[in-house]
Amino acid sequence: SAVISQKPSRDICQRGTSLTIQCQVDSQVTMMFWYRQQPGQSLTLIATANQGSEATYESGFVIDKFPISRPNLTFSTLTVSNMSPEDSSIYLCSVGSSFGSQYFGPGTRLLVL
Amino acid sequence: QQQVKQSPQSLIVQKGGIPIINCAYENTAFDYFPWYQQFPGKGPALLIAIRPDVSEKKEGRFTISFNKSAKQFSLHIMDSQPGDSATYFCAASKGIGGTYKYIFGTGTRLKVLA
Repeated sequence: SAVISQKPSRDICQRGTSLTIQCQVDSQVTMMFWYRQQPGQSLTLIATANQGSEATYESGFVIDKFPISRPNLTFSTLTVSNMSPEDSSIYLCSVGSSFGSQYFGPGTRLLVL
Repeated sequence: QQQVKQSPQSLIVQKGGIPIINCAYENTAFDYFPWYQQFPGKGPALLIAIRPDVSEKKEGRFTISFNKSAKQFSLHIMDSQPGDSATYFCAASKGIGGTYKYIFGTGTRLKVLA
């Protein structure tokens, strides 16, 4: 499985600011996904970020709030824009295989004050 | 129809016991069912996965049982150890154009007592 790293690992941000989270993979992958995991809760898919196409957002998530870049096959960023305390969550990237499996990064723990 | 219902919410077993976590789904188009283990402060780690053409799959101490007609699947952990104490998530997905988007269950917090 791929080795996935995320930066930053955690951050504390002020309301109204934006944070960009980076996801780096040690091998080329076509499919990348961004998830949100609110404290003590399950994982919710934010968007699918395939290289060479626009990110596809799930219901309830919009590009203006969560812009995503996918410049190459090993890297992606998720920006959480105009943050509010409700955005306090763990943000996770994952990479997918054509067989169905997904492998997750360690997550970015965000606290918005 | 897109939900995956997971139970129980939490589970406590003695060391050596066999905790069982259950998941149920509605969408018969789902064709890939993974289980993940998550420790505090870590990302989820893929444990084991199954497709609906088999009824059981074992990997080490972890077994998935799959009942296609009932639209249910479960995770069994044999000879559980304190190190298995974690949160477990089931998921269901269907492949569309080679992309599998997951619907996760709500999670089960397992504690294995020494």
